[in-house]
Amino acid sequence: QLQLQQSGPGLVKPSQTLSLTCAISGDSVSSNSATWNWIRQSPSRGLEWLGRTYYRSKWYNDYAVSVKSRITINPDTSKNQFSLQLNSVTPEDTAVYYCARNSAEVSTMTDWGQGTLVTVSS
Amino acid sequence: DIVMTQSPDSLAVSLGERATINCKSSQSVLYSSNNKNYLAWYQQKPGQPPKLLIYWASTRESGVPDRFSGSGSGTDFTLTISSLQAEDVAVYYCQQHYSLPLTFGGGAKVEIK
Repeated sequence: QLQLQQSGPGLVKPSQTLSLTCAISGDSVSSNSATWNWIRQSPSRGLEWLGRTYYRSKWYNDYAVSVKSRITINPDTSKNQFSLQLNSVTPEDTAVYYCARNSAEVSTMTDWGQGTLVTVSS
Repeated sequence: DIVMTQSPDSLAVSLGERATINCKSSQSVLYSSNNKNYLAWYQQKPGQPPKLLIYWASTRESGVPDRFSGSGSGTDFTLTISSLQAEDVAVYYCQQHYSLPLTFGGGAKVEIK
């Protein structure tokens, strides 16, 4: 059974970098039949897809335009996990952040991490 | 970006009665090559991540009770709970998985009348 376990700090100062990790059990980050996604949720923005990483003979990334200049999603095959880095954060980035697996079989997000509330505040 | 609009924002339904939530996409999410609508429905309870209920507009995820059903095509979709149970109190979201960026509706809160 797939499990996604998120970790990372819940408080980040403005202008600093938000970093979260999603550890995968029950599947491989290098799977050819999945993509690995980050989504956030806030009262002001609702559910917002941020980006994804996936492997199809080589690694690919896609990012939302709204965060494209500030975001990096990286796979870590040695630890079977993937990470989110969001630079130059502001209070507008305060949200619950989720990692999720998108199954190629059904083409949507079948499994989600538990969520991490990240507050941007000095 | 495809904009997803849900209605109503909230609804109160008596136990055992039908609940209906609508979702409209700003452009068609029907993929002509396979005739599938790339529209999913999620249920979210407080303090939990969204849970996939339905994908391809009408296919129930494994383990989802059959009182949940999805219908519609193109740009107009509906989630129906045929006989509301207490455990169905939640916020329901539609999401298009037709094109990037993946986008969600604003949610519909279902409560017991």
